[in-house]
Amino acid sequence: EPEVTQTPSHQVTQMGQEVILRCVPISNHLYFYWYRQILGQKVEFLVSFYNNEISEKSEIFDDQFSVERPDGSNFTLKIRSTKLEDSAMYFCASRVTSGGNEQYFGPGTRLTVT
Amino acid sequence: SQKIEQNSEALNIQEGKTATLTCNYTNYSPAYLQWYRQDPGRGPVFLLLIRENEKEKRKERLKVTFDTTLKQSLFHITASQPADSATYLCALETNTGFQKLVFGTGTRLLVSP
Repeated sequence: EPEVTQTPSHQVTQMGQEVILRCVPISNHLYFYWYRQILGQKVEFLVSFYNNEISEKSEIFDDQFSVERPDGSNFTLKIRSTKLEDSAMYFCASRVTSGGNEQYFGPGTRLTVT
Repeated sequence: SQKIEQNSEALNIQEGKTATLTCNYTNYSPAYLQWYRQDPGRGPVFLLLIRENEKEKRKERLKVTFDTTLKQSLFHITASQPADSATYLCALETNTGFQKLVFGTGTRLLVSP
């Protein structure tokens, strides 16, 4: 069964450093999402991406964050200058159409900012 | 303000019993409501979706009800098994924009043998 993959599974970085989290969505999916989950808290929406542009973003997704689909298969989330409070699990998700169907989530990248 | 509330306390039940989990929401008009399962350190896994004009949906041992008047969904697992132990997340999806999911905090279910 097709699945969303994410790399790395765990990333440790120092405050102020840039990180890039990578995702490979399911190949025929058109809508892509990033969510994050701080330890013990709920899953929170960060950004949605369709047709090579951001379609919606949350207030969490400030100027330090960016997303890209550089080559038609990978979908990346970049954090330009990490803060301690960016420590969380980051999940990529994809779906075939815009709504009314399931989102497929990847296994997540645990980001630890020290 | 908008809220999605799920029981924050863990639900402990015995194997074979029916587990019932609740999701209440305020100040949303969801077009769809979804339930996901999340195991520790893993991504959410889709279980069921119910539309705003549907009252009930079933899949194997799972049943979801959706009451848009009460603004509540109930999620049932019948004949529960220890393997059903996980956190169950309720997620709303509105008809605006590109339909992100808005998640509740989840309820942890523990099924003991």
